[in-house]
Amino acid sequence: DADVTQTPRNRITKTGKRIMLECSQTKGHDRMYWYRQDPGLGLRLIYYSFDVKDINKGEISDGYSVSRQAQAKFSLSLESAIPNQTALYFCATSRGGEKLFFGSGTQLSVL
Amino acid sequence: GQNIDQPTEMTATEGAIVQINCTYQTSGFNGLFWYQQHAGEAPTFLSYNVLDGLEEKGRFSSFLSRSKGYSYLLLKELQMKDSASYLCAVRDQGNTPLVFGKGTRLSVIA
Repeated sequence: DADVTQTPRNRITKTGKRIMLECSQTKGHDRMYWYRQDPGLGLRLIYYSFDVKDINKGEISDGYSVSRQAQAKFSLSLESAIPNQTALYFCATSRGGEKLFFGSGTQLSVL
Repeated sequence: GQNIDQPTEMTATEGAIVQINCTYQTSGFNGLFWYQQHAGEAPTFLSYNVLDGLEEKGRFSSFLSRSKGYSYLLLKELQMKDSASYLCAVRDQGNTPLVFGKGTRLSVIA
């Protein structure tokens, strides 16, 4: 079983729809992150959380929100999806400042 | 601000050695990571450098020079399965999250 699980793996939605991407982990890590990856732009940080009551904006947080429901769960929401949010989204975890462990990714397409 | 540069693409021959460079400009420095990412898959950790010098791990080595803001990843005895993107990531200070370069896509040819 994967240590960092993202659902769904693929999602197609329409402009204006609200969608949620979910991430859960069994590694017992305190820190969780959401990145998006676009061709030619690399991985960019959307939001991160160092603990259940800690939420921080990353480089590109506009249009996104997150919820850390428990130490093991960190969800990303797009309140009103737009086409330029089409991307590959990765959840990641770490123990403190150690290396990141990534989920398998969610390919999101906004039409 | 932070700036991390690495070549966009490289091609190398099976069995050869390839060096992928990464230069960075950050307000501070608290570690540099290299990740490997095959197409359509998640990045996986390769190496970590926080002090100057070379870290060797099997066919892969990573070098860091903090004074020059420079690192490289060295892949020896290249295999076809090494065709992937290689991501350089820097933590600029304290507990801040990693900032990633745009990645280098390596193609290994026969």
